[in-house]
Amino acid sequence: EDKVVQSPLSLVVHEGDTVTLNCSYEVTNFRSLLWYKQEKKAPTFLFMLTSSGIEKKSGRLSSILDKKELFSILNITATQTGDSAVYLCAVSNAGKSTFGDGTTLTVKP
Amino acid sequence: DVKVTQSSRYLVKRTGEKVFLECVQDMDHENMFWYRQDPGLGLRLIYFSYDVKMKEKGDIPEGYSVSREKKERFSLILESASTNQTSMYLCASSTSWGVYEQYFGPGTRLTVT
Repeated sequence: EDKVVQSPLSLVVHEGDTVTLNCSYEVTNFRSLLWYKQEKKAPTFLFMLTSSGIEKKSGRLSSILDKKELFSILNITATQTGDSAVYLCAVSNAGKSTFGDGTTLTVKP
Repeated sequence: DVKVTQSSRYLVKRTGEKVFLECVQDMDHENMFWYRQDPGLGLRLIYFSYDVKMKEKGDIPEGYSVSREKKERFSLILESASTNQTSMYLCASSTSWGVYEQYFGPGTRLTVT
């Protein structure tokens, strides 16, 4: 059975802090690992990672995949209150994705 | 922009009723998905479809069925709603090739009383 585990489950930081969110997985026929951000609505896509060691970056957010150790991290630098959300990690297997439970990030002013 | 729409944002139904949740996407995507999302349990896949009239069970299909008669539309059916089906239901779509990100609809919050 495919499995995706995220840690921590929740995190509270202050504006300006840097955070690292973790995602480990056990999946057959791995195709890609995806990160989503979910505010009080549907998840929106952040990154897709398919190759080990290649960092994807978008502004203050970055992510990297380690296919040997079966994990990924999502970094957010200089956090802002608008970064408060649930961050979901999903692993894709030929079109179907298995999601982790998410990390709830709260950024305080 | 990809658009995925769901027929209702909020729905209240009684135990035993038959419930239809509709999802429509406008990007000609082959794959469509139904999830439910509950606190502490994350997103769980109910059913998915990779083509018209094709369907596959996800992780929690019991108590649900689906229908995909047209490529753009994927319906989730609760044959006899029960209180443990009270949840947020999310529909998503994706292409079959290349990038596998899913585009989500706004969700339907279903309450079964």
